[in-house]
This record gives sequence, structure tokens and C-alpha cells, in this order.
Amino acid sequence: DTGVSQDPRHKITKRGQNVTFRCDPISEHNRLYWYRQTLGQGPEFLTYFQNEAQLEKSRLLSDRFSAERPKGSFSTLEIQRTEQGDSAMYLCASSLASAVGNTIYFGEGSWLTVV
Amino acid sequence: QKEVEQNSGPLSVPEGAIASLNCTYSDRGSQSFFWYRQYSGKSPELIMFIYSNGDKEDGRFTAQLNKASQYVSLLIRDSQPSDSATYLCAGYSGYSTLTFGKGTMLLVSP
Repeated sequence: DTGVSQDPRHKITKRGQNVTFRCDPISEHNRLYWYRQTLGQGPEFLTYFQNEAQLEKSRLLSDRFSAERPKGSFSTLEIQRTEQGDSAMYLCASSLASAVGNTIYFGEGSWLTVV
Repeated sequence: QKEVEQNSGPLSVPEGAIASLNCTYSDRGSQSFFWYRQYSGKSPELIMFIYSNGDKEDGRFTAQLNKASQYVSLLIRDSQPSDSATYLCAGYSGYSTLTFGKGTMLLVSP
């Protein structure tokens, strides 16, 4: 059983550069979520997709952030013109909306350090 | 704003004791709740979820939900040093996204 897969696991970038993260959800899951987590905080919701449709975006998702899930399978999260405040762990998660509890399962996360 | 509140801890218990982790939530519309465990530098992993008032047991773990008091708890029996981690409480509020608390750090000493 393949879990949620994220790539890259670690990224160091210079301020002002663009970065892109990829997420492959659990194969039968139709919902895909992006969260961000900083030290000492719980995961903060960024956005989620049901199939290919982006259904909700957080106020945290500024114009520099964009997420796509073009064919309802994998998803990408792009951050343009990175800032030091973007340094965090970016977590992807997936769920099967019809399952009891709609439990979400997280990937291993992608660590971003902006220098 | 819908919030989930947890004491950041650390909560320290000796090996073999019962650890009790608590969580309160502000949205009375919240329907189901989840507990995740997160080791330092790792991603959250699901322990269990609960959506009915009362207790739900799974091995050494018991989740308790009291919707009238807007209170969720997790009991860990026979605590082990390997249980030392941050425990995250999260709730759905009728929407499709989980809102997380900041987590409680648990330290189990041998």
C-alpha cells in the first residue's frame, strides 16, 4: 500500500527564487490537501482539491502561492518570489471523501528553507 | 474563527503511567475529531478519530468526546518512552478541512 509521496523532501533556496513541490496522493483518494507547518505550531490549512477542482483556499495562500491538480491525480504547489517567512514544512495529505470520518493521511513533508 | 486549543506542555509522565491529553474546540458545529502523533522532524501520523459522544478505545489509546463541553481527550495507557512525541488534536467543523491545535508535547521517562 503506497502512502502519500512528496518531492523534494528538502529544498534550500535563495530569497526571491521560485520553488515547486509535488505530491502524489494515495491512489484511490479523491481529495488532496496542502498544509504548512512551522516550528511549535500545528499544521495550517492552505488549500484542498476534490478530484481536479480546487474547492477551498486559505487566507494564508497569498498571490505568490499557486496549487494545481491537473488530472485529479498528483498536485503541485508553487511558491513564487520566496521570502524568508515561507520557510516551513509543506505537508500534503489525501483522503477518500466517502470514507467514514474522511480521515486524512499525510505525506512525509517537504522542508523549505529560504536563505 | 474556528479554533482548537491544546496545552503545549510538556506533559511529563513516568513509564507505565496513564498520559491524559486534552483539547477544546470553539465551533459547536464540529462533528468529528482526530488525534495525530508527530515525532520531531516527522509528519503527523494518525492515531484515531472519534465522532460520537463517549469513549472509543484502540489498543492502549482511548479517545473521549464530550460535545456539550466541547472537549476531546486522548488517554494513553501503559505509556512507553517511544510514546514521547507531540500529539495533535484536529476537528472538522462541517467543512472539508481539518483545523489543528498547536499540539501537546508528551515526555515519557524510563
